[in-house]
Amino acid sequence: NAGVTQTPKFQVLKTGQSMTLQCAQDMNHNSMYWYRQDPGMGLRLIYYSASEGTTDKGEVPNGYNVSRLNKREFSLRLESAAPSQTSVYFCASSDLWGGTTYEQYFGPGTRLTVT
Amino acid sequence: TQLLEQSPQFLSIQEGENLTVYCNSSSVFSSLQWYRQEPGEGPVLLVTVVTGGEVKKLKRLTFQFGDARKDSSLHITAAQPGDTGLYLCAGGRYGNKLVFGAGTILRVKS
Repeated sequence: NAGVTQTPKFQVLKTGQSMTLQCAQDMNHNSMYWYRQDPGMGLRLIYYSASEGTTDKGEVPNGYNVSRLNKREFSLRLESAAPSQTSVYFCASSDLWGGTTYEQYFGPGTRLTVT
Repeated sequence: TQLLEQSPQFLSIQEGENLTVYCNSSSVFSSLQWYRQEPGEGPVLLVTVVTGGEVKKLKRLTFQFGDARKDSSLHITAAQPGDTGLYLCAGGRYGNKLVFGAGTILRVKS
């Protein structure tokens, strides 16, 4: 049981290049999320998928697209990378807990640098 | 502006000392979660509190949810170097999204 896995762990891009971050979970969770983490700003939600077949924007969606490929996999795409997208990206998954709360389980992160 | 304000931002203490980290908001949350993150890893859930006034203990860590469900605190007794890390609070709304605070970096020196 691997939990949430992310690939790649590290990536360096030049401005204007594109890439896709991959995420998979094996906990049979319905909901999946993409966050970015920057110093002093905590975790900010980029996009989320409440269930297979649905995706919604979070707090900072500009410059990103997502695909919920199936119940297990949720990918994040940067179409034209910018230096402002240098960050650590985390994928998370959750399911209903106690009827009103959703405990989230995080992957190990992808460290992206855009030069 | 951060919906959830955490304080302090940084805390450096000696092994054996006690400390409290605060998480405050003007909004009401259905639940409040605390996560701990070590360098190079993703956050790991420590506890979830859901009832106003609720207190939960996890070994030397005590978590409290405010009566009005707008604030929370994390108290560590007799801190150890293994407690070093980034502590994040996250507020849950009815639905499946969380709002995270900016975090408190804790360093416990031996």
